[in-house]
Amino acid sequence: DAKTTQPNSMESNEEEPVHLPCNHSTISGTDYIHWYRQLPSQGPEYVIHGLTSNVNNRMASLAIAEDRKSSTLILHRATLRDAAVYYCILRGRTDSWGKLQFGAGTQVVVTP
Amino acid sequence: KAGVTQTPRYLIKTRGQQVTLSCSPISGHRSVSWYQQTPGQGLQFLFEYFSETQRNKGNFPGRFSGRQFSNSRSEMNVSTLELGDSALYLCASSPLGDSPNEKLFFGSGTQLSVL
Repeated sequence: DAKTTQPNSMESNEEEPVHLPCNHSTISGTDYIHWYRQLPSQGPEYVIHGLTSNVNNRMASLAIAEDRKSSTLILHRATLRDAAVYYCILRGRTDSWGKLQFGAGTQVVVTP
Repeated sequence: KAGVTQTPRYLIKTRGQQVTLSCSPISGHRSVSWYQQTPGQGLQFLFEYFSETQRNKGNFPGRFSGRQFSNSRSEMNVSTLELGDSALYLCASSPLGDSPNEKLFFGSGTQLSVL
């Protein structure tokens, strides 16, 4: 199963952009890149996902490298509410939800 | 649309007891998955149900079981509780669960403490 590698933690000042890297060097051509985040005492929350092209939504942007071996989640203006653990996971075309490997994620700390 | 609802939010049990947790998925979602989250092991998959049938199962002992009803609501049961079962139990739903383009929607979880 393709795995992802993320930094353990990242710090940012409020209202500054945050770039969260994710390496997935063994990604296959049909694997989608998903990002979820988990706020304290909550279940994970969907953030964004993509296959090959960069994606934008109201929460964040996802930049996918041309060779797809890495991606970056971009929070354009961090707020205190963005302090959470961010998970980068891959889901293949035939994978069930049970195949997803959430890993330890990246703990984002936002400083006022 | 209401989100995924899990009840109860907190639960305290003693070793040897059994417990039943409930999950109401988002309306129209037919796939329901359950996860166990602990500080040491992270998020681990328990099982997935679709149309009242268990479609996938994680690597947990038989003390962990679940079921899904015709309205897609799901329950999971843990029998003969052990101290190590203390965890946050999360339920998640998705429309069909069979496409990598789908999003997974999680509930807030049930925090189970076994004393």
